[in-house]
Parts: sequence; C-alpha cells; structure tokens
Amino acid sequence: QSVLTQPPSASGTPGQRVTISCSGSSSNIGTNYVYWYQQLPGTAPKLLIYRDNQRPSGVPNRFSGSKSGTSASLAISGLRSEDESDYYCVAWDDSLSVVLFGGGTKVTVL
Amino acid sequence: QVQLVESGGGVVQPGRSLRLSCAASGFTFSSYGMHWVRQGPGKGLEWVASVWFDGSYKYYGDSVKGRFTISRDNSKNTLYLRMNSLRVDDTAVYYCAKERARGGDLPEYWGQGTLVTVAS
Repeated sequence: QSVLTQPPSASGTPGQRVTISCSGSSSNIGTNYVYWYQQLPGTAPKLLIYRDNQRPSGVPNRFSGSKSGTSASLAISGLRSEDESDYYCVAWDDSLSVVLFGGGTKVTVL
Repeated sequence: QVQLVESGGGVVQPGRSLRLSCAASGFTFSSYGMHWVRQGPGKGLEWVASVWFDGSYKYYGDSVKGRFTISRDNSKNTLYLRMNSLRVDDTAVYYCAKERARGGDLPEYWGQGTLVTVAS
C-alpha cells in the first residue's frame, strides 16, 4: 500500500546537504500534511518534521521540510555522522482513508 | 513525559490469535487518537490501524482489514490490537503511537515496540 515513493538510498559527506524526495498524489500529499520520521538502527521512529515543514522542539534546524504539489522533500544540511539513519515520509490519503508510509530512505554518511 | 509501553508479543502459530496492549501515561489518553504501526524484519514501516480518541472511528490497512481489530479502554489508559488469523507475513515489531494533535493527526510519540513472530 506504499504509494508514497522515496529513493531507497541517499548519501553525502560530513557537512554536505542531502535531500530526500517523497512523491505522492493529489489524494495524499496534494491535500494533506506530510510528516517525516527518523529511525536509527534498532530504535523506534522519531518525529522529525510535521505539517510539511514544522520541527518539533529539540529537532535541530539542520533538518527542514518542504512541499510542492504532490511531492515533498526533507533536507539535511551540515550532514553529521549521527544522521546516518532511515527516513520515512508519511501522509493521510483521503481516497483510501489510510495512513501511507513511504518505503524509506537510508542515508549514509560517507 | 509521554510513555507508551507495548506488551503481548510472542511466538504464535499461523492461524492463531494474539492481543497486543499498549499502556499509556504522561498525557490525557482519552483526548488523543492512537495508531499501531509495524515493521517486518529488514523492512520499512507499515501503518496497521488507527482509532479516534473516543473509539468512534477506526481505520485499517488493507493487509490487516477483517483480521485485526483496534480498540481502546480510556478508563485504563490502554490501547489494544486484537490479531486473528495470523499469517507468517504478520511477523513484525508492532509499535503503538500517539497522535500529535487532537483530531485525526499522525503519530508523534512512539513506544519501543513488541515483537510478534508467526511461525509453525
């Protein structure tokens, strides 16, 4: 049921900027907020971005979210080794009445 | 602070049933919708089910619809997931999660998960 499409992997060197895309449709990203979660190995997911571009308290401003039409993006600037993790985009789908998760993107810090 | 503690996982044979629980504390449980999300071994996150703050609305993923039932007991601050007709591909870590804001929002806080293994 994963109709939110993310690249399986992304990478960068320390200090670089990495961007992860999330492609959906008019019934999900096009009309509803996008959330982003970070999942470090062996741990529960952590909310990183809510309502397209809002950061919960405690999340560094190196993380930013944006949305345009039926696509969203997560950007990590000033990449650090501790950012090596899996990242998921999520949105509600009005047509299916379900919560959709993207397939996840594994970020590697080279 | 918000705490979500899942329990009830274990090893079960295909076709059998299991009930997961999620004990909530640190917030007004009866005011927030809740979610179950799972993650199979080596796989991504998959949404399972959601329930409104008062239990009036429930939503399910296609892969579990008709087999799983989400429920809650607001007097006990506890969320449940009843899983019937379990299949091998239901093997996963099951997380409960609290919605961020009242009114059909997506997850904010997550528990640490409970492992369900379906095998003969």
